[in-house]
Amino acid sequence: ETGVTQTPRHLVMGMTNKKSLKCEQHLGHNAMYWYKQSAKKPLELMFVYSLEERVENNSVPSRFSPECPNSSHLFLHLHTLQPEDSALYLCASSQAAGTPNYGYTFGSGTRLTVV
Amino acid sequence: AQSVTQPDIHITVSEGASLELRCNYSYGATPYLFWYVQSPGQGLQLLLKYFSGDTLVQGIKGFEAEFKRSQSSFNLRKPSVHWSDAAEYFCAVAPAGANNLFFGTGTRLTVIP
Repeated sequence: ETGVTQTPRHLVMGMTNKKSLKCEQHLGHNAMYWYKQSAKKPLELMFVYSLEERVENNSVPSRFSPECPNSSHLFLHLHTLQPEDSALYLCASSQAAGTPNYGYTFGSGTRLTVV
Repeated sequence: AQSVTQPDIHITVSEGASLELRCNYSYGATPYLFWYVQSPGQGLQLLLKYFSGDTLVQGIKGFEAEFKRSQSSFNLRKPSVHWSDAAEYFCAVAPAGANNLFFGTGTRLTVIP
């Protein structure tokens, strides 16, 4: 148990589906992140939230829509995805955005396959 | 351009042998430096980190890393590898003032009996 829980662990969806990924942290952290991990590529930061406010959005396509209703929960809403969006999506949290020196705590990820 | 480089995509070592995984970074000032490990089907776990001070840092699971400013390197080492160390290892840097970590492409470690 890492303190950051992601559900579901695996997800297969068609290109016309709408689904959501969920992340929950029980560490009292104030910052949460979505990363995309594709084979042979560095982890790509997608979104950063600090105290439920989005502070960074790294040119992510609009078919990915994040939501942070409170500092413990983070969602990634998916719609009209493409096969190249298949990847491992990792959620992480830290004490505060802008202080990565404390390190991040990662969840186990959601393995997404778009068919 | 700013970058984190892990030149070795895949390394195979025998159990009990020593290990060194390389990491080089290219940033203006010395950033914060990290090593993470990812076991199959799992998220990333922090092994160790360097901020300042002693350039040799100790981490969990018997790992250590040495920061060399002149070489812009932060190599991970372990004197005797165990079969359970087989995993993917990621070097990461956090430039001063950045909101996030920048990761290398990872090095996959295979341990043979």
